[in-house]
Amino acid sequence: SAVISQKPSRDICQRGTSLTIQCQVDSQVTMMFWYRQQPGQSLTLIATANQGSEATYESGFVIDKFPISRPNLTFSTLTVSNMSPEDSSIYLCSVEVWENTEAFFGQGTRLTVV
Amino acid sequence: AQTVTQSQPEMSVQEAETVTLSCTYDTSESDYYLFWYKQPPSRQMILVIRQEAYKQQNATENRFSVNFQKAAKSFSLKISDSQLGDAAMYFCAYRSGNTGNQFYFGTGTSLTVIP
Repeated sequence: SAVISQKPSRDICQRGTSLTIQCQVDSQVTMMFWYRQQPGQSLTLIATANQGSEATYESGFVIDKFPISRPNLTFSTLTVSNMSPEDSSIYLCSVEVWENTEAFFGQGTRLTVV
Repeated sequence: AQTVTQSQPEMSVQEAETVTLSCTYDTSESDYYLFWYKQPPSRQMILVIRQEAYKQQNATENRFSVNFQKAAKSFSLKISDSQLGDAAMYFCAYRSGNTGNQFYFGTGTSLTVIP
């Protein structure tokens, strides 16, 4: 299994600013995933982050808006840049543990942009 | 891309009763995994139960069991003896059998447990 610490748990930000969300895992993992969950909706994959390579972004998400870092096998950050009210969502970090099929999730970051 | 459909946005159940949440999926793959995740108000996604497509036997975890119909591409979750703590959003999810592939989530079912 994996225990994931995600920070901050919530934040209220001014439009035009940026917020960096941190995801720390208690074990080394190959794949880390960032999801967005808009109010009352399901999870949408933003990007997949592998250590030592560029993140792979899903359709509709771009690196300039959601830059991701993955400096080692236990840590990743997602930045939401130049925020607008439409970015208000829950952002979730997830990992896939080697030799395991299930995904483990952080507790999410509730972002409100005003 | 694979799609996962949950046709019940909301469900309710009396405490101690049984409820079934529906999920269907669309795939051309033969090797895959299916999951039910629970998301309480705390937002923490918690794995409820997992089913490997190659297994014919339905998975069970205490009060939680699934009805996996591979040919019909159906994967329903049955919660027996419902408890107040079962109240949450439930997401059905699909994952390819190849390591590293993303999860596809349904739109969720909000379960209310009535005391």
